[in-house]
Amino acid sequence: LAKTTQPISMDSYEGQEVNITCSHNNIATNDYITWYQQFPSQGPRFIIQGYKTKVTNEVASLFIPADRKSSTLSLPRVSLSDTAVYYCLVDLGGATNKLIFGTGTLLAVQP
Amino acid sequence: DVKVTQSSRYLVKRTGEKVFLECVQDMDHENMFWYRQDPGLGLRLIYFSYDVKMKEKGDIPEGYSVSREKKERFSLILESASTNQTSMYLCASTVYRNNSPLHFGNGTRLTVT
Repeated sequence: LAKTTQPISMDSYEGQEVNITCSHNNIATNDYITWYQQFPSQGPRFIIQGYKTKVTNEVASLFIPADRKSSTLSLPRVSLSDTAVYYCLVDLGGATNKLIFGTGTLLAVQP
Repeated sequence: DVKVTQSSRYLVKRTGEKVFLECVQDMDHENMFWYRQDPGLGLRLIYFSYDVKMKEKGDIPEGYSVSREKKERFSLILESASTNQTSMYLCASTVYRNNSPLHFGNGTRLTVT
């Protein structure tokens, strides 16, 4: 199963763009990449998902290079409320239900 | 909106007690999961289930069992609680189709003394 690696923590200031990279060297052909956000005392919630190239929604963008061995979550103009833990998850599309998370990245946004 | 409800927000149990953590989802999802979350270790999968009465071990099943008698309910059981099972427990569910996102409950913080 694909294992993901992320930085443990990152710091930023309000208004900056933040990029969090996840490595998944063993990603397989059917795997999708999904990112979740978790606030204290809450369960993680879905942010964005992609298979290749670029995906954008109202919250974030996800960049996936051609070899798909990494992905980058991009948060435009962060605010204090974006302080959270961000998890990258590689999802074996339909082949198995065993969804394994990495250790996550704690993003701290300062004023 | 999908709702995943965990029966308790906080629990305090004694070593050796049998502990039940309950999770209910209201969206007819086939797949359900139990994770535990500890500082520095992220989310670790304990067990998952892809259908009623079906279960599969995750990465850390030792000391735990599960029950899925009805589609909407997935229970995590600690047969004999130990202090190293003090943790945040998170339940999640998803439909059985490729790449569908997980929906999580808000967690149960279990303390075993």
